[in-house]
Amino acid sequence: DIQMTQSPSSLSASIGDRVTITCQASHDIGNFLQWYQQKSGKAPNLLIHDVSNLKRGVPSRFSGSRSGTDFTFTISSLQPEDIATYYCLQYDQLPYTFGQGTKVEIK
Amino acid sequence: QVQLQESGPGQVKPSETLSLTCTVSGGSINNYYWSWIRQPPGKGLEWIGYIHSSGTPHYNPSLKSRVTISVDTTKNQFSLMLTSVTTADTAVYYCARVGGGEWGQGTLVTVSS
Repeated sequence: DIQMTQSPSSLSASIGDRVTITCQASHDIGNFLQWYQQKSGKAPNLLIHDVSNLKRGVPSRFSGSRSGTDFTFTISSLQPEDIATYYCLQYDQLPYTFGQGTKVEIK
Repeated sequence: QVQLQESGPGQVKPSETLSLTCTVSGGSINNYYWSWIRQPPGKGLEWIGYIHSSGTPHYNPSLKSRVTISVDTTKNQFSLMLTSVTTADTAVYYCARVGGGEWGQGTLVTVSS
């Protein structure tokens, strides 16, 4: 199985701060990487697909990038509504695997 | 826009079989892969498996011996069966089309006697 090592597991930041989350894949997964936002009690919501492509309607403060098997998710300016847990998902190889999640809180 | 809705019992007894159905509306189930994903309370996400509309399933090896996913294209539905459940199978179960990022709202299934 492809292991997705996501870090940090949690973070606390101020409104307006730049927030960065990383996922490292144990093997090459190409660009088959999605980022999800999950608010409390809700289903995960796709924000970014294929590493860096924003789903239609997702604010431009969210972005994604790749360097080899390292993937980065960035919120350029944290907003109160961004409080959630974020997950990466690789869908290159079966079984699909998720990162462990990053809980984002407001400082 | 495609919408997915899970349905099925919210409680299952230990050693019995969990059965859920996902109804796809707003689009055809044909020519896509449809997944089941679960999330134990307070924990992360686990992909259970998927099925193509043609009927070919693939399962997570961690659950393979207990899982069956099937599809009924005439009803625009696909289903999950998980046998010999234990309390460790208590989770919110989601159906999804990963490629399109479309998920159902999820349904909590509790394994309890």
